[in-house]
Amino acid sequence: SQQGEEDPQALSIQEGENATMNCSYKTSINNLQWYRQNSGRGLVHLILIRSNEREKHSGRLRVTLDTSKKSSSLLITASRAADTASYFCATVNFGNEKLTFGTGTRLTIIP
Amino acid sequence: DGGITQSPKYLFRKEGQNVTLSCEQNLNHDAMYWYRQDPGQGLRLIYYSQIVNDFQKGDIAEGYSVSREKKESFPLTVTSAQKNPTAFYLCASSIRLAGIHEQYFGPGTRLTVT
Repeated sequence: SQQGEEDPQALSIQEGENATMNCSYKTSINNLQWYRQNSGRGLVHLILIRSNEREKHSGRLRVTLDTSKKSSSLLITASRAADTASYFCATVNFGNEKLTFGTGTRLTIIP
Repeated sequence: DGGITQSPKYLFRKEGQNVTLSCEQNLNHDAMYWYRQDPGQGLRLIYYSQIVNDFQKGDIAEGYSVSREKKESFPLTVTSAQKNPTAFYLCASSIRLAGIHEQYFGPGTRLTVT
């Protein structure tokens, strides 16, 4: 079963603009992770945020987590053409060590 | 050059045939996973293994089988019992099974069954 739902399903922006993707989930989590997938490739881990954290930064990435609303957002600042990819959130529940992936947001950066 | 390798990249089979997908890692990770991805969808877990000679079913194990005879290798067999085998298959590994660790993914194998 898929726990996370990303929003929007697809997003196109101009290079240099910021991109924001959202993820909502249904049950309490231990942590939430964001991954990137280039077309036809494997996934690459971007960032992990624990349930007791509210915000985390990594380079041009900023992730927030609101456990009361069961939602997370991924912000990519100053987007580049190379950021074109699908982005997935994945949750880990307490007592269940497996990742449950959402359906992804397809991001297109227009040069 | 460390990482996870999957072979082949593309695989074609006739309906009714079993096929085995290879996954090898040299990261010295204990845990390994197999996922299936359908077009426009997220990943669904097929099987996972946290240690040699041990593995558990994931959410969609029916029609699949695995083995974990070596730490480095976690092959997946798609049997003729799998009703819709055409998909993109991804192998991953992590240091341990605990969900606090990131997973490292291979490049994937695209299986087409006709």
